[in-house]
Amino acid sequence: DAGVIQSPRHEVTEMGQEVTLRCKPISGHNSLFWYRQTMMRGLELLIYFNNNVPIDDSGMPEDRFSAKMPNASFSTLKIQPSEPRDSAVYFCASSRPGTGESGSDQETQYFGPGTRLLVL
Amino acid sequence: GQQLNQSPQSMFIQEGEDVSMNCTSSSIFNTWLWYKQDPGEGPVLLIALYKAGELTSNGRLTAQFGITRKDSFLNISASIPSDVGIYFCAGQKLAGYALNFGKGTSLLVTP
Repeated sequence: DAGVIQSPRHEVTEMGQEVTLRCKPISGHNSLFWYRQTMMRGLELLIYFNNNVPIDDSGMPEDRFSAKMPNASFSTLKIQPSEPRDSAVYFCASSRPGTGESGSDQETQYFGPGTRLLVL
Repeated sequence: GQQLNQSPQSMFIQEGEDVSMNCTSSSIFNTWLWYKQDPGEGPVLLIALYKAGELTSNGRLTAQFGITRKDSFLNISASIPSDVGIYFCAGQKLAGYALNFGKGTSLLVTP
């Protein structure tokens, strides 16, 4: 089965440019999460969606960041304009609805390979 | 989100040794998870714990969900070189919610 797919895997851009990161969650998963990983702050949640609806965007750093999920199989994270401090690895994760029973797959979040962003 | 306190920050051990790492929080989580991250990859789930006091094994890995629901530990027995990586604990307050991560434990295993 295909896991979470992210593109691009690497992105190098100049300060002020627009950056768009893409994510395709695992089929059948109804929750999608965007995380950012840096050496200083570790893994932090940016925003997450449930059934394509944004539930919590309190982790989005500022208005330069926006995320959309137009359908169940696609999400984007956009940074406009980008700044050097946005350099990080951005991960997308997805999870499926829990069944109400304990089990190893209940609401487990599966991560994509990440997009490594460098803003010069 | 709340950051979990994970220790140790790094470990440098010899092949065959056992490893233990733990995670604590000031608030309660209903799910504890342990992930491993290899260089250039995303975190991969190792063990998930859903009940306070639960002890779960996955091969050479053993993890426990603390009875207070504020802590968890992960043990790796008889370490091998491919255990090298960064191990993260994560807590989840409610199913379907985002994860709160520890800062990670970097593990190096020498042959």
